Amino acid sequence: GESVGLHLPTLSVQEGDNSIINCAYSNSASDYFIWYKQESGKGPQFIIDIRSNMDKRQGQRVTVLLNKTVKHLSLQIAATQPGDSAVYFCAVRNQFYFGTGTSLTVIP
Amino acid sequence: KAGVTQTPRYLIKTRGQQVTLSCSPISGHRSVSWYQQTPGQGLQFLFEYFSETQRNKGNFPGRFSGRQFSNSRSEMNVSTLELGDSALYLCASSPGQGGYEQYFGPGTRLTVT
Repeated sequence: GESVGLHLPTLSVQEGDNSIINCAYSNSASDYFIWYKQESGKGPQFIIDIRSNMDKRQGQRVTVLLNKTVKHLSLQIAATQPGDSAVYFCAVRNQFYFGTGTSLTVIP
Repeated sequence: KAGVTQTPRYLIKTRGQQVTLSCSPISGHRSVSWYQQTPGQGLQFLFEYFSETQRNKGNFPGRFSGRQFSNSRSEMNVSTLELGDSALYLCASSPGQGGYEQYFGPGTRLTVT
């Protein structure tokens, strides 16, 4: 089966700095990856996705990088803001396997 | 378009009781998945329903069951509640089976005393 794991359970960054959240996956055949953001008291919300035929995808202030060689993906948040404080999950196809999440705290 | 709704939002039950949670997916979505979220275990997959059939199942005991109705609404049931069942139960819907972005509801917070 598939499994995912985030490298750090917690991450603290200064407001305005860039954040990098990492995730490893186990199945080299995985072809679709999603990042979710879960704010306190809410369910996870879609941030950005990437398919295995891409190495990089950019959204608004977020970038996802995929390294298929080492089965690793990362989420980069530019100019981190207090509203980015949340738990971040990576998920792989069939989307039923989530990591334990990385809790991002933005320090004003 | 209305989002995923879950009822009730909060629930307190006693050990040994059973509970039923409800989920209404986004209109047009046919897949509904259920997850249990606890601080220690993170987000764990319970099961997925598509077109009224359970398509995938996580590693949970048989006390956890679910069903999906013809209108795609879904319920999950937990029988003989244990203290360890205290958790946030999340429902997510997506347009198709697997491989699609999921839309999560706000969850039902279950406390077992």
